Amino acid sequence: GAVVSQHPSWVICKSGTSVKIECRSLDFQATTMFWYRQFPKQSLMLMATSNEGSKATYEQGVEKDKFLINHASLTLSTLTVTSAHPEDSSFYICSARVQRGRTYEQYFGPGTRLTVT
Amino acid sequence: DAKTTQPTSMDCAEGRAANLPCNHSTISGNEYVYWYRQIHSQGPQYIIHGLKNNETNEMASLIITEDRKSSTLILPHATLRDTAVYYCIVRLLSNDYKLSFGAGTTVTVRA
Repeated sequence: GAVVSQHPSWVICKSGTSVKIECRSLDFQATTMFWYRQFPKQSLMLMATSNEGSKATYEQGVEKDKFLINHASLTLSTLTVTSAHPEDSSFYICSARVQRGRTYEQYFGPGTRLTVT
Repeated sequence: DAKTTQPTSMDCAEGRAANLPCNHSTISGNEYVYWYRQIHSQGPQYIIHGLKNNETNEMASLIITEDRKSSTLILPHATLRDTAVYYCIVRLLSNDYKLSFGAGTTVTVRA
């Protein structure tokens, strides 16, 4: 249980185009999902928190107009990188939170490798 | 949130136990110790967590000192597939908590 999928697993796009990444919780409902970004040889950096039915909350320094997040249902959140540039090339990882008894656990997707040329 | 300190890297031999230390001297009474790992080019994977008592599951054991200021993750029989970055995270269990990752320990299991 608690499987999170991402699509696509990798994508190459040209500079100036937009790319959409999907994150799905396959066997549970997630009211909250998170988006992380990871550059080579660095740790994961939290970009934003996505709540179903409401606007995402972005971490300091993350441009909300560039990284559009939509959490349209309890099993799907999307991240759209708009007008992508080479510096946006990174590994994007989503995570979904689920309640387990009195605790809340986060499960991670396999990641999406974005390369902007 | 309490910060954690982990060694940057460590090597271990295949088939032997791997002991990964973590210091969290400022941990508060209601914070748990969590361990995740990230194999290259994959998303993080939950390993184990604990509050006070030692914990064991099919993947690893977690030993937390009595004062809770440090802990050790033990992989009983390391395999090459255990090569990964291991993250020790101290966190609350509240529903508004967001996991933050430090640098972790890069563990390389050698044949």
